[in-house]
Amino acid sequence: IVLTQSPGTLSVSPGERATLSCRASQSVGSTYLAWYQHKPGQAPRLLIYGASSRATGIPDRFSGSGSGTDFTLTISRLEPEDFAVYYCLHYGSSSRFTFGPGTKVDIK
Amino acid sequence: EVQLLQSGGGLVHPGGSLRLSCEASGFTFSSYAMSWVRQAPGKGLQWVAGITGSGTSTYYADSVKGRLTISRDNSKNTLYLQLDSLRAEDTAIFYCVKVGGNVQVFFDYWGQGALVTVSS
Repeated sequence: IVLTQSPGTLSVSPGERATLSCRASQSVGSTYLAWYQHKPGQAPRLLIYGASSRATGIPDRFSGSGSGTDFTLTISRLEPEDFAVYYCLHYGSSSRFTFGPGTKVDIK
Repeated sequence: EVQLLQSGGGLVHPGGSLRLSCEASGFTFSSYAMSWVRQAPGKGLQWVAGITGSGTSTYYADSVKGRLTISRDNSKNTLYLQLDSLRAEDTAIFYCVKVGGNVQVFFDYWGQGALVTVSS
């Protein structure tokens, strides 16, 4: 399974809404779809698992949705600390994991 | 508190070998699958290897099969990644990750990362 993320870069102003897309090359179980935030010099941070469940401590401005081949991460009101690269991750039936190429969210 | 403390990165010549370690604490290590994820300079995240909690099954990305070996010592709460026949394109930050979830499957905790530089 190949994951495609769009856009590659999203320029947004603080306080605005950001919508990030993750598309799978074939239908996948939403159970196995997660989203991560990655900032330079830090380890990635789990945001969403099971396509729509927020991880512990993640603010409610982050939400995930989708099923089948199309998944979305929405950041309702961007805070300065949200500017980062976001990756989707899928766990496949062959016990292997696939990351999408990432979406960079930068300041407009 | 879950902690994954990595060690073992460094500079290695092409064709050389290196072993990364990841000492886990704060959870029952043997009950959880673990994986290694890498990020090459300027590139995205790439899963490279995984291992079951008991250590009896291992899984690899096609791009590293035969050159990277994942293993674990549950008596020492430690995960390992042996890197052999290293190439310049293996230069990356390597992260040790814990696999979480029951029905869902995802990486819930990450180590701090270890930089592996392959250069002559």
